[in-house]
Amino acid sequence: GQQLNQSPQSMFIQEGEDVSMNCTSSSIFNTWLWYKQDPGEGPVLLIALYKAGELTSNGRLTAQFGITRKDSFLNISASIPSDVGIYFCAGDSGTYKYIFGTGTRLKVLA
Amino acid sequence: GAVVSQHPSRVICKSGTSVKIECRSLDFQATTMFWYRQFPKQSLMLMATSNEGSKATYEQGVEKDKFLINHASLTLSTLTVTSAHPEDSSFYICSAKTGVTYEQYFGPGTRLTVT
Repeated sequence: GQQLNQSPQSMFIQEGEDVSMNCTSSSIFNTWLWYKQDPGEGPVLLIALYKAGELTSNGRLTAQFGITRKDSFLNISASIPSDVGIYFCAGDSGTYKYIFGTGTRLKVLA
Repeated sequence: GAVVSQHPSRVICKSGTSVKIECRSLDFQATTMFWYRQFPKQSLMLMATSNEGSKATYEQGVEKDKFLINHASLTLSTLTVTSAHPEDSSFYICSAKTGVTYEQYFGPGTRLTVT
């Protein structure tokens, strides 16, 4: 099935650093969701975005709905070891069926 | 709020047998539930969408006779893998949403191993 491209695929960062990742699509979406998945677990919803240009924060996480509606960005500030995991974006074009990104694996070095 | 459970968390079955996976929304009514499959180090692939009281809608390439989905109530959906084969081994995850929101909440997943 169709997938969204996430970048980077993986990243190693030092504790305390800020992290940026993005998700791009060839299609326009109405809603973007960002999830974090730990190994062997289901994804946990982090942030939901509903309007182009919207910027939403959840603690140290900030996500933006791209103005073109074809991309979204997630930033994590002052990373900590428990931020390690796989981050997925998911986009919906109004059908309630989400297309998931390829994922960004984050590893934090203490 | 928005808690989704799955049972069992892990299951091992023999080739040719069937296995049922349950997905429950614990603190909200889920008008729609989704079933995903995830291979190691890969993303989530939507298998089917089920609305309470109606037949599930399967994604292209997913065999509806092999992956039976029932959404009999607003809090329970089941996925039955019939005549399982080793290639059906995977991580199966359900998600649920209410009718008034676009947000989906995931269960913890079920690891299926077919021997």
